[in-house]
Amino acid sequence: GQSLEQPSEVTAVEGAIVQINCTYQTSGFYGLSWYQQHDGGAPTFLSYNALDGLEETGRFSSFLSRSDSYGYLLLQELQMKDSASYFCAVIQRDDKIIFGKGTRLHILP
Amino acid sequence: DTAVSQTPKYLVTQMGNDKSIKCEQNLGHDTMYWYKQDSKKFLKIMFSYNNKELIINETVPNRFSPKSPDKAHLNLHINSLELGDSAVYFCASSQTSGGNSYEQYFGPGTRLTVT
Repeated sequence: GQSLEQPSEVTAVEGAIVQINCTYQTSGFYGLSWYQQHDGGAPTFLSYNALDGLEETGRFSSFLSRSDSYGYLLLQELQMKDSASYFCAVIQRDDKIIFGKGTRLHILP
Repeated sequence: DTAVSQTPKYLVTQMGNDKSIKCEQNLGHDTMYWYKQDSKKFLKIMFSYNNKELIINETVPNRFSPKSPDKAHLNLHINSLELGDSAVYFCASSQTSGGNSYEQYFGPGTRLTVT
């Protein structure tokens, strides 16, 4: 079967670093994406990994290990505006995309 | 110049009614999608259209039917609405032929409430 697992909630302090993990089980894996969704808003694309390693985009980085079927999103220098839900999504070779259930990130001042 | 737009933003209707949600994208993408997000925030893909052909049809009730008059539009028609259809419906688009299906652009969502 196909499944993605990510924590339902994570809490961190403003200015700190937080890591949101995602493990997946799927056939025909092609890559892993991350999306951010603020309350009442639409999901917005953050990053994509097709190869093992770290991709950095400003304060956000995403990592993938294909052999471990594992990835994470790293958020640095947390700001209050980063409070949102974060979804990992697996892209399969047939272009199907499957979203995880999302991680709600709470940031404390 | 909104990239992906959908109307209406809010839709309140009674059980048994038929309703449609419209979606348009001006990004020139070749694939459009409909997602349902329930109260637990679970984002589930319902349909996708590539060049006016249905390429993914997840196990959704046949009361839901996507209609695409052209590659810039993908409308969602729902017959005989039920209480369980209450959710936020998102339209999205991506450029699949360029291998960029991982980067999807979402519309603002339509909050459907069935009473």
